Amino acid sequence: KQEVTQIPAALSVPEGENLVLNCSFTDSAIYNLQWFRQDPGKGLTSLLLIQSSQREQTSGRLNASLDKSSGRSTLYIAASQPGDSATYLCAVTGNAGKSTFGDGTTLTVKP
Amino acid sequence: SQTIHQWPATLVQPVGSPLSLECTVEGTSNPNLYWYRQAAGRGLQLLFYSVGIGQISSEVPQNLSASRPQDRQFILSSKKLLLSDSGFYLCAWAAGRAGELFFGEGSRLTVL
Repeated sequence: KQEVTQIPAALSVPEGENLVLNCSFTDSAIYNLQWFRQDPGKGLTSLLLIQSSQREQTSGRLNASLDKSSGRSTLYIAASQPGDSATYLCAVTGNAGKSTFGDGTTLTVKP
Repeated sequence: SQTIHQWPATLVQPVGSPLSLECTVEGTSNPNLYWYRQAAGRGLQLLFYSVGIGQISSEVPQNLSASRPQDRQFILSSKKLLLSDSGFYLCAWAAGRAGELFFGEGSRLTVL
C-alpha cells in the first residue's frame, strides 16, 4: 500500500527566503507526482505535475524535483511572499490511476 | 478550457437525513472522476472513482455511494447520514489514469 509523508508539517519563514518542502513515498511504481496548493476552506490548485520519466518541472518561482528510485520529491519555492502562505500537498498516482496524498505542509510567510 | 463545478458549497444536515452532492465537468470527454474526503488538517482520502458511465469503484466501505449517470456528472449520495460523515468533500477529474488531477471547490458537510 502506497504511503506518502510530508515533512515538515508546518513551516514559518520571513518574506524573501528560499524554502524546500519534502515529500516521500514508499512505492516507486508511480505514473506521476503532483504538487498542490490549498487555501483554507478551498479546493486544491494544481501547481506542478511530474511524470515518472521526468526529473523536474518548473513554473515561475516553483521548482519540483522527483527521484523515483529513492521515493522522494522536493518543492522549492524561491523568494517567498506572504501570498505563498497556504497548505502544500503532494500526491502520487499509481498503476491503477488512483492518487495517494500526503497530509500536507502548512506554510506561513511573514511580511 | 476545462472547468469543474461542485455544489452545494456548504450543507448542514441532521443525522439520518439523505445527502446528494453533485459534480460536473465541462470542456472534456470521458474524464476519470473522483470523490475525496478531507478530514481537518489531514490529506485526502479517496472514496470513489469512475472511469466511465455507470462504472464506480469504491475504496472505503462506508455509508456513502456514488453514481455517474452521465459522462461528465458524478454524484455522491447517502440514504441516512451519520455524524462521522461530516467533512470536506472534493470532486476531481483527470484525463486518463496518468493525467493531471483537477479539483472542484469542495463541499463542506456538517452533520448534526
